Amino acid sequence: DVKVTQSSRYLVKRTGEKVFLECVQDMDHENMFWYRQDPGLGLRLIYFSYDVKMKEKGDIPEGYSVSREKKERFSLILESASTNQTSMYLCASSPSDTPVNQPQHFGDGTRLSIL
Amino acid sequence: AQSVTQPDIHITVSEGASLELRCNYSYGATPYLFWYVQSPGQGLQLLLKYFSGDTLVQGIKGFEAEFKRSQSSFNLRKPSVHWSDAAEYFCAVGAGYSTLTFGKGTMLLVSP
Repeated sequence: DVKVTQSSRYLVKRTGEKVFLECVQDMDHENMFWYRQDPGLGLRLIYFSYDVKMKEKGDIPEGYSVSREKKERFSLILESASTNQTSMYLCASSPSDTPVNQPQHFGDGTRLSIL
Repeated sequence: AQSVTQPDIHITVSEGASLELRCNYSYGATPYLFWYVQSPGQGLQLLLKYFSGDTLVQGIKGFEAEFKRSQSSFNLRKPSVHWSDAAEYFCAVGAGYSTLTFGKGTMLLVSP
């Protein structure tokens, strides 16, 4: 069974800090995704990666960056955290050997609070 | 650009009653459609998916969905709801490089 693990379930940081959210998948998937989830807004794609060292902007990349140095790990970075980045962050992965019809597998999420 | 509309923010259903959650999509090509469920404090779990062929698809936990191209809809149904079905449900359309566009979700409440 696919396992997507996010390093923290809850995280509290201060405004201006550099914040790292880590995600690891164990199924050798090529694609990895970062979303943020806010009440009434659903899931919005921040960044995704389809290969090591590759990244693509999603719908709301401002204020975020990502890193994919190894295939199994995809990190989301808040360069200088702000209170409007308080949210639930979800990581997902999927294989790329088939077209878009391969479903994404999600981690349990990190609830991040910026004070 | 693709979009997904879930018209109902909240729905309350009595336990044992039938359920239908609505989803409308906008996409220029043949859509790839998904329903996910999110229990409190959890990530999203795939319920079912539609790519082509039979327009009625069966999923896990007794759920099914019907694709209607003429109405641009992909509604989720269950004949008899259980208290454990209380969760948030997301419809999504697949597009681009394996990316998904999600609706804003429908929160299902189950009353005794």
